[in-house]
Amino acid sequence: EDQVTQSPEALRLQEGESSSLNCSYTVSGLRGLFWYRQDPGKGPEFLFTLYSAGEEKEKERLKATLTKKESFLHITAPKPEDSATYLCADPNDTGRRALTFGSGTRLQVQP
Amino acid sequence: EAQVTQNPRYLITVTGKKLTVTCSQNMNHEYMSWYRQDPGLGLRQIYYSMNVEVTDKGDVPEGYKVSRKEKRNFPLILESPSPNQTSLYFCASSLWGQTATDTQYFGPGTRLTVL
Repeated sequence: EDQVTQSPEALRLQEGESSSLNCSYTVSGLRGLFWYRQDPGKGPEFLFTLYSAGEEKEKERLKATLTKKESFLHITAPKPEDSATYLCADPNDTGRRALTFGSGTRLQVQP
Repeated sequence: EAQVTQNPRYLITVTGKKLTVTCSQNMNHEYMSWYRQDPGLGLRQIYYSMNVEVTDKGDVPEGYKVSRKEKRNFPLILESPSPNQTSLYFCASSLWGQTATDTQYFGPGTRLTVL
């Protein structure tokens, strides 16, 4: 059974203080990985899809990387508006296409 | 604007009173899915549909029904809601391509409380 584990559970940063979020996964075969951002009470907002080990993608202050066992979401010089829960998800390669989500990292960026 | 919409956004109801949560997407996506999100349990798939008239169970289908009569709509039906169905519900849609990495886009959510 696929498992996705995220750490830390919560992270508090000062504005401008860079850091990284971790997503480790145990899957039968790497099919890629999704990153989403979720604001309280709202739907997950798509950020990135990483397809293979070694791949990197960037969007504004966010950069996602992927190895064979884990993915990192690097946040460079964060701003308060980056505060959210960040979710990673494994695309289940069965007919259901159900995403297996990690429990998320709650990021708070203080001004 | 490409989007997934859900209605209602908030709903408080009583045990046993049938309700329907609507979901609509304007991206011509074949695949649609319903998830529920609960504290400590994360997002879990309830039902999914690969195309019109094709639906199947997800991880937690008990107490729910769905239908897919049109490509754009995928309503979630609770025929006799119970308090354990109090949750935050999300509809999602994506293309149905060759791989599982077609991006799933989520709706804004429906917060349901069953008293």
